[in-house]
This record gives sequence, structure tokens and C-alpha cells, in this order.
Amino acid sequence: QQQVKQSPQSLIVQKGGISIINCAYENTAFDYFPWYQQFPGKGPALLIAIRPDVSEKKEGRFTISFNKSAKQFSLHIMDSQPGDSATYFCAASKNFGNEKLTFGTGTRLTIIP
Amino acid sequence: DTEVTQTPKHLVMGMTNKKSLKCEQHMGHRAMYWYKQKAKKPPELMFVYSYEKLSINESVPSRFSPECPNSSLLNLHLHALQPEDSALYLCASSRDYYSNQPQHFGDGTRLSIL
Repeated sequence: QQQVKQSPQSLIVQKGGISIINCAYENTAFDYFPWYQQFPGKGPALLIAIRPDVSEKKEGRFTISFNKSAKQFSLHIMDSQPGDSATYFCAASKNFGNEKLTFGTGTRLTIIP
Repeated sequence: DTEVTQTPKHLVMGMTNKKSLKCEQHMGHRAMYWYKQKAKKPPELMFVYSYEKLSINESVPSRFSPECPNSSLLNLHLHALQPEDSALYLCASSRDYYSNQPQHFGDGTRLSIL
């Protein structure tokens, strides 16, 4: 029940395309859903986060879509650029992020010219 | 540049050695975290310090010993490690543990156990 399932494991998208990464959870007590971006040799960095009282949150080219009834959330990267090539982790936490993060398994995104 | 600084960046040690990892932040954060990350895996939480007190130990073996000398500094003392302990060790901080504040990660120490 504590798991967060993430797919796909790896993703190749052409420059300018839309990258979509999906996550699903079981524990309905989760109420804070951040996405982290990690470049090789670097630590994860918070990209964007959402709470279940909204269905979508957009920051620049990055959008989180949230479906509470399906217990799914996804990251959309519009106009994907080579600089977006990184590993992306979704995560979930209870108590509005006041408890430990449960990470998804990660998606390695490669943007090709 | 990351606001959480970890040293050293790389460490190679034998199984009988004693070494320490260091983490420093100057953002006034009162929660600090140690994570272990194996290749192609997500970070796994090891320890949480809240206001310089250990608040969470995720059943980590005693060969890992955390220390929080002050609100800006976090150490991880290593002794008698095993080859399977080779990993990237990440430090993170947040404003405090009991508010919805994002965690800021350092770039980690890549540890290799011979």
C-alpha cells in the first residue's frame, strides 16, 4: 500500500515533442505528490508538486495532471528539449508532505534531436 | 549550484576503515535527511533529524552512525561497511519536518567499498 508505481522505465522523445510519465498509488492517505528531476552526478531537484484538491498544475513547460478517483498522476513535459534529458522520480507523502516521501522507481528520459 | 553541500564527492574505503560524510546547509533549515541511492533506483530514506534530534531511523544497520552537531551540519560516520553499501549517499534539508516544505538535495557522496 505504500508503493508508488511509475512508468515507463525509460522514454525516448524527439525534440519538441511531449514527454509523458505516469504514476499510480494505492494508499488513499497520500495527499502530496512531488516530481523530482535528477541529472547524472547530481542530487534530485524538486520540479513541481501537486495536492489532490486540484486536477492540474502547470509551471512553464511542466504540467502535473492528477486523477484522484483513479489514484493516478502524471507529468507532461511540453516542447521537450535535450536539456530535459534526466531521470524523473514521482513521489507521494501523507499529511500534506509532513511524512516521508515514497518514491516511484524512476523514468530515464532521453530527448533526441 | 546546490545549496546543500556534501563532502567528499567521492570516497573509496576498505571494509575495516572508519570514515565520515559531511553535509552542510546555510538556508536556516531545521530538518536534515540522509538517503542512500543505488544505481538506477530511487533514493531510500535512512535518517531524519528534526531540530538537531534524530526523529527517524529507517532500521539502518549500526555501521552507519549519524550525527547532527548543529542546525547547519550533518555527518554520517561509517565503520566496517560491506560491499553492498557502495552507493550514492544524499543529504537533504527542508525548513522543518512538520510542514509541507520541499526537500533540497545535495549532489551526494559516491561511496565505493573495496
